[in-house]
Amino acid sequence: ETGVTQTPRHLVMGMTNKKSLKCEQHLGHNAMYWYKQSAKKPLELMFVYNFKEQTENNSVPSRFSPECPNSSHLFLHLHTLQPEDSALYLCASSQTSGVWYEQYFGPGTRLTVT
Amino acid sequence: GENVEQHPSTLSVQEGDSAVIKCTYSDSASNYFPWYKQELGKGPQLIIDIRSNVGEKKDQRIAVTLNKTAKHFSLHITETQPEDSAVYFCAAHMDSNYQLIWGAGTKLIIKP
Repeated sequence: ETGVTQTPRHLVMGMTNKKSLKCEQHLGHNAMYWYKQSAKKPLELMFVYNFKEQTENNSVPSRFSPECPNSSHLFLHLHTLQPEDSALYLCASSQTSGVWYEQYFGPGTRLTVT
Repeated sequence: GENVEQHPSTLSVQEGDSAVIKCTYSDSASNYFPWYKQELGKGPQLIIDIRSNVGEKKDQRIAVTLNKTAKHFSLHITETQPEDSAVYFCAAHMDSNYQLIWGAGTKLIIKP
């Protein structure tokens, strides 16, 4: 479980707040991902970074803003969220981007928007 | 759009019995199919995967079968144990943008 860490594990925020989620991987990988996990729904890929460059943005609302300062760290900046944004946000990493590479997931940040 | 349907959403089996989870995909060009296991409070973890050039793959008590003609693949767990209790996700590679499309998950409950 120490391969990919996420902080905080739980976050409650109001609709007008600004907060950030942090992800760090200790695996030497070059690709990092943000996913949204809602109950009984498929994992939703939000963003993909490969060698610090964003390669995918799956039509995610602008109130979610990713940042990847280096291959080991990934942030998700949140502002003016809606209650429907409440979910588990998972970070993952892989050797490089590409579906054939195993993705290693962190434990997630449980976000509640009030 | 492309999607992956996963059934059942919940599966309860007696310890020691077998469990089967099925997924159907829509993109006929898909050629990679992983299965991930998510334990409570943890992120998903890859447990087995299969590529389209094989029909079956085994790893101890788990196996995956693929039927490309019917566009479905299944996870088989034999001799189930309490530690098999988890949510299992299937996924399929989407050829158009090289992303994985995920199923909605199956909660597997092993009854003692």
